[in-house]
Amino acid sequence: NAGVTQTPKFRILKIGQSMTLQCTQDMNHNYMYWYRQDPGMGLKLIYYSVGAGITDKGEVPNGYNVSRSTTEDFPLRLELAAPSQTSVYFCASSYSIRTSGGRSSYEQYFGPGTRLTVT
Amino acid sequence: GENVEQHPSTLSVQEGDSAVIKCTYSDSASNYFPWYKQELGKRPQLIIDIRSNVGEKKDQRIAVTLNKTAKHFSLHITETQPEDSAVYFCAASIRGNTPLVFGKGTRLSVIA
Repeated sequence: NAGVTQTPKFRILKIGQSMTLQCTQDMNHNYMYWYRQDPGMGLKLIYYSVGAGITDKGEVPNGYNVSRSTTEDFPLRLELAAPSQTSVYFCASSYSIRTSGGRSSYEQYFGPGTRLTVT
Repeated sequence: GENVEQHPSTLSVQEGDSAVIKCTYSDSASNYFPWYKQELGKRPQLIIDIRSNVGEKKDQRIAVTLNKTAKHFSLHITETQPEDSAVYFCAASIRGNTPLVFGKGTRLSVIA
């Protein structure tokens, strides 16, 4: 298994440009996530998805859009890029199952990250 | 919603000493508590996790303890080595059907 893959690895955007960060996982995970990590800081959740066709906002969704048309893919779209979106973006996936006691979460696997600079 | 506090933000230890990182969480419904290690320029990777029905878990030099009453959990690294130097993140998940909430991280430096 390749796990979670992300493209591109690096990108420089001009202010106002748009781009899509690609994320694919081959582990048949139902949950997928997008985080951003600013230098020296923690992980902030942008959007997440609990399955194909379902997405939800995280802590910092403004300026981003997502879609989940398949189990494997979860692209993140930046419209009208701004310097504040300069960051490292991580995609992640995990498996969650329903049990008699509720839902159980399992390990969250991260992709290698995309380093984005907006100038 | 859930809130996870992590302390300390930085920690320096001599090689061979132990390191302890502590986290508290706010929602008593949280049932899954993983710890991630992130080396410089790399992705976060899971090093150990614990569920709410267990009080302690060990994996070689790493252990995690959970106190549900006090709503805190800790990472213990014994016999630290320079390769343990990294940023460590704790996290918590409510009932397994919401995303992980991460602490702000602890930068551990192991001095040879």
